[in-house]
Amino acid sequence: DIQMTQSPSSLSASVGDSVTITCRASQDIGTYLAWYQQKPGKVPKLLIYGASTLQSGVPSRFSGSRSGTDFTLTISNLQPEDVASYYCQKYNSAPRTFGQGTKVEIK
Amino acid sequence: QEQLVQSGSELKKPGASVLVSCKASGYTFTDYAINWVRQAPGQGLEWMGWMNTDTGHPTYAQGFTGRFVFSLDTSVSTAYLQINSLKAEDTAIYYCAQGRGRGWAVWGQGTLVTVSS
Repeated sequence: DIQMTQSPSSLSASVGDSVTITCRASQDIGTYLAWYQQKPGKVPKLLIYGASTLQSGVPSRFSGSRSGTDFTLTISNLQPEDVASYYCQKYNSAPRTFGQGTKVEIK
Repeated sequence: QEQLVQSGSELKKPGASVLVSCKASGYTFTDYAINWVRQAPGQGLEWMGWMNTDTGHPTYAQGFTGRFVFSLDTSVSTAYLQINSLKAEDTAIYYCAQGRGRGWAVWGQGTLVTVSS
């Protein structure tokens, strides 16, 4: 099975900073990579699909990119409401594995 | 709008069974798969498997075979997750999510299953 390795497991940054979360697939998954945001006590929310396509209604400070089997979620101009856990997921075929998650906090 | 509504929280004893429902509305139920995701307390998201709502064929992830059963009732646009022989480690929030080829934008609100004697 293809493994999804997400890093870091947590990060702390200041309001206005730019933060980057990385997800590496153990094999080629094309662009079948999604990013989700989960705020404490809430349902996961789709941010990005197709590695870089912003879901409707998601602020443009969120962006995604791909370089081979490495995927990146960038949050520019970090806001207090961005405090959450973020997960990558491969969704091209089973198993539709999630990354381990990254907890983002504000300094 | 497209929506998935799950059944309410459950408190069960070890060894019992639980049935979680996920009712779809706002779209043709058989157009998209239903995925099931587990989230143990303080832990990440874990894909349990998916149900082909058109054929009724389930696919289970590793670690979710045997005690976990996916089923459907297309007449009421509802998917079900049954967990048998419950263990304390099954305590978690269980989510259903609509499976599209563009990520999963539609999720149920989650069902907390607590297993305790």
